[in-house]
Amino acid sequence: KNQVEQSPQSLIILEGKNCTLQCNYTVSPFSNLRWYKQDTGRGPVSLTIMTFSENTKSNGRYTATLDADTKQSSLHITASQLSDSASYICVVTTSGTYKYIFGTGTRLKVLA
Amino acid sequence: AAGVIQSPRHLIKEKRETATLKCYPIPRHDTVYWYQQGPGQDPQFLISFYEKMQSDKGSIPDRFSAQQFSDYHSELNMSSLELGDSALYFCASSLGLGRGSYNEQFFGPGTRLTVL
Repeated sequence: KNQVEQSPQSLIILEGKNCTLQCNYTVSPFSNLRWYKQDTGRGPVSLTIMTFSENTKSNGRYTATLDADTKQSSLHITASQLSDSASYICVVTTSGTYKYIFGTGTRLKVLA
Repeated sequence: AAGVIQSPRHLIKEKRETATLKCYPIPRHDTVYWYQQGPGQDPQFLISFYEKMQSDKGSIPDRFSAQQFSDYHSELNMSSLELGDSALYFCASSLGLGRGSYNEQFFGPGTRLTVL
């Protein structure tokens, strides 16, 4: 069964600190992996996308990694800001059917 | 840049009433997806349309129906509403069924439906 699991479920950090979110997946066949940021009550917004051959992708203070062998990805947030408070969702797309398989998300709260 | 537009943004209905949610995709996008997201849950795929035809079906209840019109906007019709239908309903759009290695779906802001 195609599944995407994320950890931790929730996280509280102080402003300016770094954090790393984890995503493990059992999706086959694999096409790509995205990290989305979802503010409360809003639609998800794409942060990064990685295909099978890519193992690191950065977008400002966000850096995503992908290990296709172990089927793990991480999202590292550097120098966190209050505006980083949101849910971060890992989404894996299957090749062929192009279905989005959503992770359960990590709810991040950044405190001043 | 134009994004996906959803209306209304908020909707309050009574049990057993009907509701219609609308989605306007990004210009030139021909594929529309509908998702339902309950509190604290990940989005659940309901249904998608490509070129005005249903392209995939997920966990959409029989009480719900949807269609895509000639201008590519889509409507999700929900009848006999139940308390459990209270959720955030997202629409996403993509180009050409999202084929290709960067088959990205662009999400709208969502419609929050509350059933009382």
